[in-house]
Amino acid sequence: QVQLQESGPGLVKPSETLSLTCTVSGGSIDNSFWGWIRQPPGKRLELLGYLYYTGSSYYNPSLKSRVTVSVDRSRSQFSLKVTSVTPADTAIYYCARVGRITVAETWFDPWGQGILVTVSS
Amino acid sequence: QSALTQPASVSGSPGQSITISCTGTNNGVGTYSLVSWYQQHPGRGPKLLLSEDTRRPSGISNRFSGSRSDNTASLTISALQAEDEADYFCCSYASDSIVVFGGGTKVTVL
Repeated sequence: QVQLQESGPGLVKPSETLSLTCTVSGGSIDNSFWGWIRQPPGKRLELLGYLYYTGSSYYNPSLKSRVTVSVDRSRSQFSLKVTSVTPADTAIYYCARVGRITVAETWFDPWGQGILVTVSS
Repeated sequence: QSALTQPASVSGSPGQSITISCTGTNNGVGTYSLVSWYQQHPGRGPKLLLSEDTRRPSGISNRFSGSRSDNTASLTISALQAEDEADYFCCSYASDSIVVFGGGTKVTVL
């Protein structure tokens, strides 16, 4: 059974880069799409971006210029970088396997437990 | 802009059934965009309950069921149990690879 675990710093200074890693265990990172989703305090979930295990990536247009997702198949990990962060980027960040993202259907399973990242000086 | 609207809270007594709605605007939930539903307990990651409006993954109780009427998808929890107290949210495709999530519904078991 695939399990996901986010890791990275819980505190990032404004204007710096937020970097998180998601480790996939219990299954292969191959042949799947993997995504990053966040939830700011009191706000709804937001998909930041996702990628195929080969590295092909897709981004939320509202954040595209600041977000990068990448994969390291040898480590069964995929990563998120968000540049030039502000306090508005404070959120719980989740990684998830993308089941489908199509016009017909969209779903994510499983999800990691999430990691709180606070942007503050 | 596409959006999914859910009630902020729903409550019920043990054994009862409750229904949570997810209404789409601007094709957030429409003819082609099926909805997925998730359960989230405090401090834990979301758990997929239903995909494609009604399909339950392996291991999900049949007490959870989904339906749709026009642009409103619904999640019904039957035979409510204390362990069902959690947040529930819906998700759908909007357009141009944009995915939208509902605001979430807090379920309280009285």
